[in-house]
Amino acid sequence: QSALTQPASVSGSPGQSITISCTGTSSDVGSYNLVSWYQHHPGKAPQLMIYEGSNRPSGVSNRFSGSKSVNTASLTISGLQAEDEADYYCCSYAGSRTYVFGTGTKVTVL
Amino acid sequence: QLQLQQSGPGLVKPSETLSLTCTVSGGSISSTSYYWDWIRQPPGQGLEWIGSIYYSGSTSYNPSLKSRVTISVDPSKNQFSLKLTSVTAADTAVYYCARQWEVAYAFDIWGQGTRVTVSS
Repeated sequence: QSALTQPASVSGSPGQSITISCTGTSSDVGSYNLVSWYQHHPGKAPQLMIYEGSNRPSGVSNRFSGSKSVNTASLTISGLQAEDEADYYCCSYAGSRTYVFGTGTKVTVL
Repeated sequence: QLQLQQSGPGLVKPSETLSLTCTVSGGSISSTSYYWDWIRQPPGQGLEWIGSIYYSGSTSYNPSLKSRVTISVDPSKNQFSLKLTSVTAADTAVYYCARQWEVAYAFDIWGQGTRVTVSS
């Protein structure tokens, strides 16, 4: 069970759109449409942003969207805002009620 | 509003056992809609899923930690706990408890985190 691969960092200017990739294998991301995404501000608890690949929990801005193609899931943040600057983690179901997280991506708003 | 409150020591000696407890308030740990999980983040690293328990006591663990981890539940106290044996410096991390939303396969509520350092 290896960590899912994410880019170490992604940056964008306010108002722009950015996309974070999350690459797994046919045993996790590729087998299930059960990728979730978390926003993590240092010193705080992570917050669920996307579940089941593309669903947003109540209260999460519609500027956040998710998708998947084969073994790679993606999180897109549109209309980038200063408050979006944080670390982002993907997480995939890996069968038998086990999970694997991504390596994490630091998003910087220029 | 359901909340998770973590408790336990912030310093553990090498080779000893790390023990943390998560108390659920504002809801029941016996709900059939949720599992209860532990997740950690070593310094400068990403999140790592440790394991999960259902109110009935059914568990699942990260294969890389399975030999050292025990997660238990006490419905009478609305608590679940983590024990990690034979700790080393590599187990130094911020440990989070979290609620796993069963049908969504996602962690929708998190505890505040407990920083645990393994050092003599």
